[in-house]
Amino acid sequence: DIQMTQSPSTLSASVGDRISITCRASQSISTWVAWYQQKPGKVPKLLIYQASTLENGVPSRFSGSGSGTDFTLTISSLQPDDFATFYCQQHSSYPWTFGQGTKVEI
Amino acid sequence: EVQLLESGGGLVQPGGSLRISCAASGFPFSNYGMSWVRQAPGKGLEWVSGFSGGRGGPYYAESVKGRFTISRDNSKNTLHLQMNSLRAADTAMYFCAKDRGEAVADWGSFDIWGQGTMVTVSS
Repeated sequence: DIQMTQSPSTLSASVGDRISITCRASQSISTWVAWYQQKPGKVPKLLIYQASTLENGVPSRFSGSGSGTDFTLTISSLQPDDFATFYCQQHSSYPWTFGQGTKVEI
Repeated sequence: EVQLLESGGGLVQPGGSLRISCAASGFPFSNYGMSWVRQAPGKGLEWVSGFSGGRGGPYYAESVKGRFTISRDNSKNTLHLQMNSLRAADTAMYFCAKDRGEAVADWGSFDIWGQGTMVTVSS
């Protein structure tokens, strides 16, 4: 199975900050990475697919980059609505696997 | 409107069985890959099982292989997960999730999620 390792596990930031979350795959997965945001008690929301393509309706302050084994989710200017837990996920080969999550807190 | 609605969760004893279902609407169900993803209380997301958008599968996580069986009824737009030999570690919210699109590039990224059904395995 392909392991997805996210860092950091927790990130403390302020409104307006630029933040980045990284995800490393245990083997090359081209650009087969999706990123999700999950707020407490809510279902995950797809933010980015194929490593860098923004899902419809997602604000442009979110961006994704990377290929091969190293991937990054960046929020250019953190907004109050962005405090949540973020997950990367590989969909290169079964079984699909998620990173352990990064909690972004104030 | 695209919707997924899970049902069938509940409390079951260790070693018991449960079948959960997901009713889909608002899109051509038979054309899309579908998956079950679970989340234990306070923990992260774990993909459990799914069908590929190319009608391949089913596929399973190692943790459930041999115990869980996924099926789909395209005539009723429904996805099922039969769970046998349940363990305490299977306690989680189970989400049904839809592939983002029909293209190969969309297989395995999930744009629509149901609200989930809670499965609790405890004596």
